[in-house]
Amino acid sequence: NAGVTQTPKFRVLKTGQSMTLLCAQDMNHEYMYWYRQDPGMGLRLIHYSVGEGTTAKGEVPDGYNVSRLKKQNFLLGLESAAPSQTSVYFCASSYPLGTASSYEQYFGPGTRLTVT
Amino acid sequence: KNEVEQSPQNLTAQEGEFITINCSYSVGISALHWLQQHPGGGIVSLFMLSSGKKKHGRLIATINIQEKHSSLHITASHPRDSAVYICAVLTYRGGGADGLTFGKGTHLIIQP
Repeated sequence: NAGVTQTPKFRVLKTGQSMTLLCAQDMNHEYMYWYRQDPGMGLRLIHYSVGEGTTAKGEVPDGYNVSRLKKQNFLLGLESAAPSQTSVYFCASSYPLGTASSYEQYFGPGTRLTVT
Repeated sequence: KNEVEQSPQNLTAQEGEFITINCSYSVGISALHWLQQHPGGGIVSLFMLSSGKKKHGRLIATINIQEKHSSLHITASHPRDSAVYICAVLTYRGGGADGLTFGKGTHLIIQP
């Protein structure tokens, strides 16, 4: 199993450009998450999804949109990139709380995004 | 004030030393995670616990729900343990969803 994969691994954008980050998981997890990691800030939740076709806002959702059209994929979109969105983006997936499996989150390798 | 506080922020130790990293939180939680992030950036879940103590190899994690405190211990530390260790608490966000709130991490360096 590949686990959680993210595409692309690196990207440089100019201010105002748009892009989509793709997260894919092959563990049949219901829950998927997008985080950003900035120096000195720790990981922060951007958006999450508790199932196919559903999404919800996290702690820092402004400037991002998401979609979960298929259970295995969770897309993060930046419609008009800003330098403040320069960060490392991590996707994660998990089973829901209360299932037989632990709630352990599995993380992707990250996408390093620079907006100039 | 951050909901999750870790200490120390940075720790340098010699190979073989016993390491303790602390995590305190100020909110009600369902569970607590300890994560490891290596210099290459990948994040791996080490433990998830909601009470008591868990052990995996040289790693031990404990939690005291009443005191809202958790510790991660590394016995017989080795240079390959050098990484950032992150504490994260699972809180209920409502609407049937759950989410993690993260500490800023403890940067551990084990010198040979």
